Amino acid sequence: AQTVTQSQPEMSVQEAETVTLSCTYDTSESDYYLFWYKQPPSRQMILVIRQEAYKQQNATENRFSVNFQKAAKSFSLKISDSQLGDAAMYFCAYIRRGGADGLTFGKGTHLIIQP
Amino acid sequence: NAGVTQTPKFRILKIGQSMTLQCTQDMNHNYMYWYRQDPGMGLKLIYYSVGAGITDKGEVPNGYNVSRSTTEDFPLRLELAAPSQTSVYFCASSYSTLAGNRYNEQFFGPGTRLTVL
Repeated sequence: AQTVTQSQPEMSVQEAETVTLSCTYDTSESDYYLFWYKQPPSRQMILVIRQEAYKQQNATENRFSVNFQKAAKSFSLKISDSQLGDAAMYFCAYIRRGGADGLTFGKGTHLIIQP
Repeated sequence: NAGVTQTPKFRILKIGQSMTLQCTQDMNHNYMYWYRQDPGMGLKLIYYSVGAGITDKGEVPNGYNVSRSTTEDFPLRLELAAPSQTSVYFCASSYSTLAGNRYNEQFFGPGTRLTVL
């Protein structure tokens, strides 16, 4: 079975600085997708960024980018120019290609933005 | 489009009571999911459905039942509520093909906070 591990329960960063959130995963599949979701205090789950395992190029979405290391099974999220609105729980998630059986989530990292 | 809607937003149950959490999506998605989120944890899959009339168990199905009679609705039934079922419940939906050639984003509802006392 696949597992997703987020080893940083909490991270803190100054506004306008850059922060990196770590995620490692374990799977026997070769073709899969990885995601970062943001969960603000409202509880709503918001997709931040998606990476397809067969793509070597790292995904980027505005201030958010990932460092995807397939061999190391590592998938970190970098947030540049941190803003107060970035404060939230961040979850790393995995699903195999064609998998209908839902996402596998890590335990999350609580990101604090210091003004 | 309302997206994925869930009712109720909050509920308190007594041990042994039963209830149904409602989930509806208006995006014509074929896949639907129920997750639970315990304090300080990520989401865990309870049940999922790949289409009307088809459901299957996820990682933590014990104490729950589901049905999928229409594309839009995917209710979650709790029988004989227990304190261990105190959690936040999320419904989600997505559109995907059998070939899985293109994974589409899972859209989440706002969640239901359930407390069992």
